[in-house]
Amino acid sequence: GAGVSQSPSNKVTEKGKDVELRCDPISGHTALYWYRQSLGQGLEFLIYFQGNSAPDKSGLPSDRFSAERTGGSVSTLTIQRTQQEDSAVYLCASSLGVATDTQYFGPGTRLTVL
Amino acid sequence: AQSVSQHNHHVILSEAASLELGCNYSYGGTVNLFWYVQYPGQHLQLLLKYFSGDPLVKGIKGFEAEFIKSKFSFNLRKPSVQWSDTAEYFCAVNAVNYGQNFVFGPGTRLSVLP
Repeated sequence: GAGVSQSPSNKVTEKGKDVELRCDPISGHTALYWYRQSLGQGLEFLIYFQGNSAPDKSGLPSDRFSAERTGGSVSTLTIQRTQQEDSAVYLCASSLGVATDTQYFGPGTRLTVL
Repeated sequence: AQSVSQHNHHVILSEAASLELGCNYSYGGTVNLFWYVQYPGQHLQLLLKYFSGDPLVKGIKGFEAEFIKSKFSFNLRKPSVQWSDTAEYFCAVNAVNYGQNFVFGPGTRLSVLP
C-alpha cells in the first residue's frame, strides 16, 4: 500500500518568508510525528499528533513553528519568518498509535533558507 | 532531558566482519528502545525494537540488539555484515512516562567494503 508522502521534496526560500510543509500519513494511522534532521545531527522531535487528542508540541523550537492535522489525516508544518538555522530535512512519520508501534517515515522535505 | 548517544560516528568494515554499534541513553525509568536504519536513497525504516520481555531482540536482516538496563545500553549487533548493510543507523528511545516524545541518537554511518 501507499506509504507516507511528503511535499514538496525540496523547498528553497528566502530568510523571513513563511513556508508550509505537508505530510500525508498512511491511511488508518492515528499517530503522526514531525522531526527535523539537520546536517550531521540525529532526528530532533518536533511535534506529535494522536487521534483527536491535543498534540504534544514539546519539541517545537520556537513560536515560529506550528503544525496542524486536519480530519485526523493530513498534517501541515508551518514555519514563519524562516531563518537560516531552519535549513534542514523535515521528516514526517506515522504509526498505528501507541509508542511501541513502528513508525513509518516519509521521504522528507529538504528546506534551504537563503 | 533525555539524551541518546551513539559511540561511533562512522564505522568502516570489510564484508563478513562482525558489527557492534553502541547506543546509550540517559533516562532512568522505563523505556521503549528502537534501532532504525536509512539505506542510501531510502526512507528510514525499523530494524528492531524492544519494549518488554527478553532483552535480546532480533530484527530484520540478521540484526539483533541487547538491552542492558544496568548500563542504559541497547547495542546493535550482526555477526557477519554484507555490503548491502551500508547505511546510517539510528538508535531511538521513548521514555514511557513522557508520552510519545522520541529521542534519537546522532546516527552511525556504516560503510561495508566489498
